[in-house]
Amino acid sequence: NAGVTQTPKFRVLKTGQSMTLLCAQDMNHEYMYWYRQDPGMGLRLIHYSVGEGTTAKGEVPDGYNVSRLKKQNFLLGLESAAPSQTSVYFCASRSDWDRILDSPLHFGNGTRLTVT
Amino acid sequence: SQQGEEDPQALSIQEGENATMNCSYKTSINNLQWYRQNSGRGLVHLILIRSNEREKHSGRLRVTLDTSKKSSSLLITASRAADTASYFCATLHASGGSYIPTFGRGTSLIVHP
Repeated sequence: NAGVTQTPKFRVLKTGQSMTLLCAQDMNHEYMYWYRQDPGMGLRLIHYSVGEGTTAKGEVPDGYNVSRLKKQNFLLGLESAAPSQTSVYFCASRSDWDRILDSPLHFGNGTRLTVT
Repeated sequence: SQQGEEDPQALSIQEGENATMNCSYKTSINNLQWYRQNSGRGLVHLILIRSNEREKHSGRLRVTLDTSKKSSSLLITASRAADTASYFCATLHASGGSYIPTFGRGTSLIVHP
């Protein structure tokens, strides 16, 4: 049981390049989230999805797009990377079982992105 | 904006000592969760306390919640070097019909052997 898997683990981009980060979960979770983690800033929510085919903006959505075409996958895209997007990106998922508000987040191990 | 804020930002102790870290939050909550993050890894759920609970235990972890002060504390007793990690509190923030998990900036704990 892999849980939440993020690919790639590391990536270096030049300013203006594009890339897609992939998050896959095998727990049949409805809810999926993309966070970025920067030193001293904790985790900030970029986008999230409450189910297949749905996405919504989080706290820091600018410069990112997402898609949830399949329930198990949540893709985060950077169309034109900027140095300010240098960060560690975490994907997380959460179940919608009975006590939905109590269900914990399950995290991947992150993608470390550097934009030069 | 962060819903929860941890205090202190950093904590350095000797093995065997207790470690206490605090979390303050801004709005009413359904529950508060604590997570741990080892260096270079994702966050791992530790413990959840509901708004109608005041204290909860799990192994060497003890969590308290004071809804009147909008604060929670995480106590790790008899700490070990392996407890070295960052610890985050998280609450659910209502937004657009959903509940969004929102994290504080974390407490970095170093336990010296």
